[in-house]
Amino acid sequence: RKEVEQDPGPFNVPEGATVAFNCTYSNSASQSFFWYRQDCRKEPKLLMSVYSSGNEDGRFTAQLNRASQYISLLIRDSKLSDSATYLCVVTGGATNKLIFGTGTLLAVQP
Amino acid sequence: SQTIHQWPATLVQPVGSPLSLECTVEGTSNPNLYWYRQAAGRGLQLLFYSVGIGQISSEVPQNLSASRPQDRQFILSSKKLLLSDSGFYLCAWSAGMGSGNTIYFGEGSWLTVV
Repeated sequence: RKEVEQDPGPFNVPEGATVAFNCTYSNSASQSFFWYRQDCRKEPKLLMSVYSSGNEDGRFTAQLNRASQYISLLIRDSKLSDSATYLCVVTGGATNKLIFGTGTLLAVQP
Repeated sequence: SQTIHQWPATLVQPVGSPLSLECTVEGTSNPNLYWYRQAAGRGLQLLFYSVGIGQISSEVPQNLSASRPQDRQFILSSKKLLLSDSGFYLCAWSAGMGSGNTIYFGEGSWLTVV
């Protein structure tokens, strides 16, 4: 089992739609969780951290379910500019380093 | 504010040639530094990390090496490139290791080995 698993997509949605991504992780001892965004042929950039109680940043909402070991990202009112790959990131391993999922590709259509 | 730069941005190298990618961080001291590789259709793979000058940890056995000659300088090298070394190489830094420490990436270097 991969340490961090994501549905690769692509998710093709119309502008204005709500879309949700899930990510599962295998290490129950993981302490920190993040979502990164990566545009085509660019470096990943931090989108938001994920807190135990869930957190929201504008149109983006992140949730953590420790019991089931999954993280979710909800995007409301999708914009064309939201088109990108979304990477789930979890701390893990003996040295608590960041482990990246392979990403979920989102394509927002006009 | 902190910035991270790496170069070159793109390079095409023949099999068996050497490689040197360089990364520098500004605006912080004693950062943790990382080299990642992202192969086509695959996730980010951690290659090396460093918690201080001259301290390098390798995550996977491979054809590459890393060095940290100065606090804010991280270099990725190879003596002889293989076709399988092609990919997108990313330097990154964080203030600490693990929980709560966000990682920030450089712009990346596209390497094609031919």
